[in-house]
Amino acid sequence: SAVISQKPSRDICQRGTSLTIQCQVDSQVTMMFWYRQQPGQSLTLIATANQGSEATYESGFVIDKFPISRPNLTFSTLTVSNMSPEDSSIYLCSVEVRLTDTQYFGPGTRLTVL
Amino acid sequence: AQTVTQSQPEMSVQEAETVTLSCTYDTSENNYYLFWYKQPPSRQMILVIRQEAYKQQNATENRFSVNFQKAAKSFSLKISDSQLGDTAMYFCAFMKHEGNTPLVFGKGTRLSVIA
Repeated sequence: SAVISQKPSRDICQRGTSLTIQCQVDSQVTMMFWYRQQPGQSLTLIATANQGSEATYESGFVIDKFPISRPNLTFSTLTVSNMSPEDSSIYLCSVEVRLTDTQYFGPGTRLTVL
Repeated sequence: AQTVTQSQPEMSVQEAETVTLSCTYDTSENNYYLFWYKQPPSRQMILVIRQEAYKQQNATENRFSVNFQKAAKSFSLKISDSQLGDTAMYFCAFMKHEGNTPLVFGKGTRLSVIA
């Protein structure tokens, strides 16, 4: 498997502000995935982040709202911009560990927007 | 596009008993992977079990086993000797075989293990 950390683990933010979530992996991975889990719901893919190229966003998610950086093979950030209460969710990053064909998840970031 | 359906929003089981969670999926792919993930209240997504579609043998991991029926596109999870620590949300997920592709999740089943 892989050791994946996320910072912060939780935060309470004011409407209109932005929060950057960090995801760090203990090994080099090609793709990193960002998911959103709204309260009581399943996971929805926000975007796929490949090192050295622009992230690929799913329908309903745009770069201006959720900018993603992927500066190297072990690190990525997701920013939630101009937040509203509807952005209150758990945000999770995941990676596919090389040669395992399996995705492992970070511990998640619980975001509450007031 | 792939879809994953979990038709049981909630289930409960007595401690030490056996429970089966259902999952069906739809895909035009021939090779793919299926997963069950567990999410306890801590919100950490934990891999429970993984199945490769091109393997006929059902995967097992200790008390957890699957019944994979490729023709029926069914992938159920059986938990034997249920323990209180098994209480969690369980998500069924699909991934294409080509690698580095995202997971497609079902809506989840909330399992409660009762003492």
